[in-house]
Amino acid sequence: KAGVTQTPRYLIKTRGQQVTLSCSPISGHRSVSWYQQTPGQGLQFLFEYFSETQRNKGNFPGRFSGRQFSNSRSEMNVSTLELGDSALYLCASSFGQPSTDTQYFGPGTRLTVL
Amino acid sequence: GIQVEQSPPDLILQEGANSTLRCNFSDSVNNLQWFHQNPWGQLINLFYIPSGTKQNGRLSATTVATERYSLLYISSSQTTDSGVYFCAVHPIFGNEKLTFGTGTRLTIIP
Repeated sequence: KAGVTQTPRYLIKTRGQQVTLSCSPISGHRSVSWYQQTPGQGLQFLFEYFSETQRNKGNFPGRFSGRQFSNSRSEMNVSTLELGDSALYLCASSFGQPSTDTQYFGPGTRLTVL
Repeated sequence: GIQVEQSPPDLILQEGANSTLRCNFSDSVNNLQWFHQNPWGQLINLFYIPSGTKQNGRLSATTVATERYSLLYISSSQTTDSGVYFCAVHPIFGNEKLTFGTGTRLTIIP
């Protein structure tokens, strides 16, 4: 079974631009979560989606948004990019809800904002 | 929110040595996972272990939920074990989200 895939793997943007990242979960998994990893803040939770519904959201500004499609694929969007948005963005999927199920992570998208 | 502390923050060992990594958490959890982050950034699942003991080859883990800690044991370390090890927990109560510890950076020297 294929693992979690994320596209693109690397991205360079300039301040003020917007970006969309994509995540395809493991086949059959219904939950997708997003995390941001930076050297200063570590791994921080962004969103959790289950069956197309956002179930939880982390403490990030409204510039960060996401959605999940009927095939469980998910996208996250960051508008008006700031230098501090440079980070590794990780997506994870699980069959059931993350509270009681194993989460499997993708390889990440490394975003650099210049 | 729940606090997750990992120790030690850094560990440097000779190849072949054994190590114990610790994860303390401040509240009751219904999910605890150990991950290994490789040099390319991917988080690799090691264990899903909200309680009890599990073993997988040279790695084993124990979680004592009532005392709010988990231990990851690595025996006969290899250079490929180098990287950052994270524990992540999902609290039973409060704002439910998977919360990561700050990690232990393990370096195995040949």
